[in-house]
Amino acid sequence: DQQVKQNSPSLSVQEGRISILNCDYTNSMFDYFLWYKKYPAEGPTFLISISSIKDKNEDGRFTVFLNKSAKHLSLHIVPSQPGDSAVYFCAASVGVNNNDMRFGAGTRLTVKP
Amino acid sequence: NAGVTQTPKFQVLKTGQSMTLQCAQDMNHEYMSWYRQDPGMGLRLIHYSVGAGITDQGEVPNGYNVSRSTTEDFPLRLLSAAPSQTSVYFCASSPVYTGELFFGEGSRLTVL
Repeated sequence: DQQVKQNSPSLSVQEGRISILNCDYTNSMFDYFLWYKKYPAEGPTFLISISSIKDKNEDGRFTVFLNKSAKHLSLHIVPSQPGDSAVYFCAASVGVNNNDMRFGAGTRLTVKP
Repeated sequence: NAGVTQTPKFQVLKTGQSMTLQCAQDMNHEYMSWYRQDPGMGLRLIHYSVGAGITDQGEVPNGYNVSRSTTEDFPLRLLSAAPSQTSVYFCASSPVYTGELFFGEGSRLTVL
């Protein structure tokens, strides 16, 4: 029972363009959402988060949008850079509660020079 | 600047063997956890701990044991390895209830 779904296993974009990674969730109790980035042979690293009281959170080139009614969130990277090529995981939890955090399967982003 | 350290990085076991995956963190984080990553499944929580002497089960705890005798260490034990436990295992830590997990580099386990 995957409560967090990333339906696109991979995405390829040109350097300088926008990358949009999508994530859907089924558990309406989730109210805290995170994105992690993972390079090969490394552990995931935290990228950005958003609480359900917001619908947008920005950090430099990265913006996360939350649509609670659609149970959907997206990560926008503008402009995309080759160094952004990695696997991106979406995660969700009930409150800021680590033991209840569920992860999506990940989307592999490739940014071409 | 070690962060979260996992050993070993690679291990091959035969069915029925036992082993321990080690995890240590030097950030004085109260919360530690173990995840496994399987193709198409994302990261799934195995066990977690909110402090020394306190552990609890996550989403997929069967076949695994943990203990937390110190703040720094959180070993994961496989008592009788099965092929279904072939996976990449990640240890993570964080200050309690912050949401931002710090992960180790992972341990790739193959059970034949």
